[in-house]
Amino acid sequence: DTGVSQDPRHKITKRGQNVTFRCDPISEHNRLYWYRQTLGQGPEFLTYFQNEAQLEKSRLLSDRFSAERPKGSFSTLEIQRTEQGDSAMYLCASGRGSPLHFGNGTRLTVT
Amino acid sequence: DAKTTQPNSMESNEEEPVHLPCNHSTISGTDYIHWYRQLPSQGPEYVIHGLTSNVNNRMASLAIAEDRKSSTLILHRATLRDAAVYYCILRDVMDSNYQLIWGAGTKLIIKP
Repeated sequence: DTGVSQDPRHKITKRGQNVTFRCDPISEHNRLYWYRQTLGQGPEFLTYFQNEAQLEKSRLLSDRFSAERPKGSFSTLEIQRTEQGDSAMYLCASGRGSPLHFGNGTRLTVT
Repeated sequence: DAKTTQPNSMESNEEEPVHLPCNHSTISGTDYIHWYRQLPSQGPEYVIHGLTSNVNNRMASLAIAEDRKSSTLILHRATLRDAAVYYCILRDVMDSNYQLIWGAGTKLIIKP
């Protein structure tokens, strides 16, 4: 199965530490999205890449968040100086339009 | 994107049909209706989408009201594996970025 892969599945970190998540999309998909999901809520859009270009960023993406997609393949999402409010599931999705294919997410817990 | 309204939760018996409603009274002419579902501890999964006509696929059917202000996702014979949160989302076909705006969805509980 060559679905969307996210690593790690779980991450526990102390407040103030930096964390980085990785997403490997389906290989032929040129679009890649990051979403954040908190308990009981639907996913919230964070940012979007078309190939290697980051075309849109949500206001939710503060200066502590940065995402990259070098060479238009895998993507990384880094959170600097983590805060307890960053605790959430971080979802990656890819597609060539409709529909989106999601990974199973990285669950971040900030203690 | 226009908003959707869904019940917070629904219950159904196993092997019976399930009708999940969605209201989208402010839908525009270029909005597609998309349904995704999210099983426990997994990412969302695409179910079905449509514009005006009813749609069928191997997972479900989508019935769209004539005025397009509401739609219903139909699972013809629910199994325990269909227990999930179901999201109804509108996506403007003119939105080339395909940025989806999600509500809280309907939690579907299947009773054996």
